[in-house]
Amino acid sequence: GAGVSQSPSNKVTEKGKDVELRCDPISGHTALYWYRQSLGQGLEFLIYFQGNSAPDKSGLPSDRFSAERTGGSVSTLTIQRTQQEDSAVYLCASSPSGGASLEQYFGPGTRLTVT
Amino acid sequence: GENVEQHPSTLSVQEGDSAVIKCTYSDSASNYFPWYKQELGKGPQLIIDIRSNVGEKKDQRIAVTLNKTAKHFSLHITETQPEDSAVYFCAASRRGSYIPTFGRGTSLIVHP
Repeated sequence: GAGVSQSPSNKVTEKGKDVELRCDPISGHTALYWYRQSLGQGLEFLIYFQGNSAPDKSGLPSDRFSAERTGGSVSTLTIQRTQQEDSAVYLCASSPSGGASLEQYFGPGTRLTVT
Repeated sequence: GENVEQHPSTLSVQEGDSAVIKCTYSDSASNYFPWYKQELGKGPQLIIDIRSNVGEKKDQRIAVTLNKTAKHFSLHITETQPEDSAVYFCAASRRGSYIPTFGRGTSLIVHP
């Protein structure tokens, strides 16, 4: 079946511009995560959505970052007034519902470059 | 909060050798430990996981061991092949939390 998809695959933007990154999770997965991966670094948690519950935004690095998930499916990560330090790969992952099932299925990521 | 340390950061082996990657965690309440493989230009992919009620799990050439007392777990790859070359991440999450903490990754290079 179809996996997690993300668009665009690459995005180059000028400092100060806003960007929107899109994630389409696996159909039926109720949990959705956004992570940031800087060059040579691990995965930095940004935000978590679970069903209709309020999202866990504890990983967002500043108020320039926001995310929404419409209809419990597609999610958009928005970065306002981008800075050079925002350059990274942004990964989206989804996870099926249910108890202790914590397996995450990742998309290919969006590589963001801020010039 | 949870802290996950992963070693080594880079591992170079010859084809056919074994590779071992080690992770330690700080939160004794952590009970789920997945390992992900990330190939160049792709997202991480779950390759094996272990829960705190078992000490070892195997899947063909891959195995994971868990020592709860010492709070460390390891990934073992036997008979390595060039296609095993990738970045491997360990992670840990605690009971009641859905947000795992990831290690910084190990770049495994398998030379043919």
